[in-house]
Amino acid sequence: SQQGEEDPQALSIQEGENATMNCSYKTSINNLQWYRQNSGRGLVHLILIRSNEREKHSGRLRVTLDTSKKSSSLLITASRAADTASYFCATEGLTFGEGTQLTVNP
Amino acid sequence: GAVVSQHPSRVICKSGTSVKIECRSLDFQATTMFWYRQFPKQSLMLMATSNEGSKATYEQGVEKDKFLINHASLTLSTLTVTSAHPEDSSFYICSATERDQGIQYFGAGTRLSVL
Repeated sequence: SQQGEEDPQALSIQEGENATMNCSYKTSINNLQWYRQNSGRGLVHLILIRSNEREKHSGRLRVTLDTSKKSSSLLITASRAADTASYFCATEGLTFGEGTQLTVNP
Repeated sequence: GAVVSQHPSRVICKSGTSVKIECRSLDFQATTMFWYRQFPKQSLMLMATSNEGSKATYEQGVEKDKFLINHASLTLSTLTVTSAHPEDSSFYICSATERDQGIQYFGAGTRLSVL
């Protein structure tokens, strides 16, 4: 199975700032997905980007995909305290990395 | 959006007993379901992949006889932790995908505590 690896492991920002998380993977993909997980809860799907897409938006989320570098980034704009969570990327096969723990301070 | 229901959300049991966790897709047919476990502050680990009507495919290191998976219908998969021990205490999460779709929908998870 393929693996997504997120970077940084932890990110702490102030409310209103933007948060950027990165993901790298090892082999070719058809799509890449981002999820969030609140502590002790299940995963929530955020956004899927296909291999033929370079950028995708959903509300305050912006995802980019660079298949040549095998990397993706998730940008959360105008962050809120409620965005505090762990964020994971995953490709097909869906072995997750340890995620990025985002803390948004009020 | 698609909904996956996982039950129970929390279970406490004595060592040696078996525990069954159900995962249901409520508004779509889940051709594939996945089972994960997560230890505190660690990543999700894929345990097994199950396709409706066929035997589950287990990841390396996951004991088939310990974690019994049944995917008898397109809307239901069950995970049975047999003869549970304290080291089986963990957060178990299921997910489901619809045929030809790329998105996984996750259940809310089951927190298992074995005393």
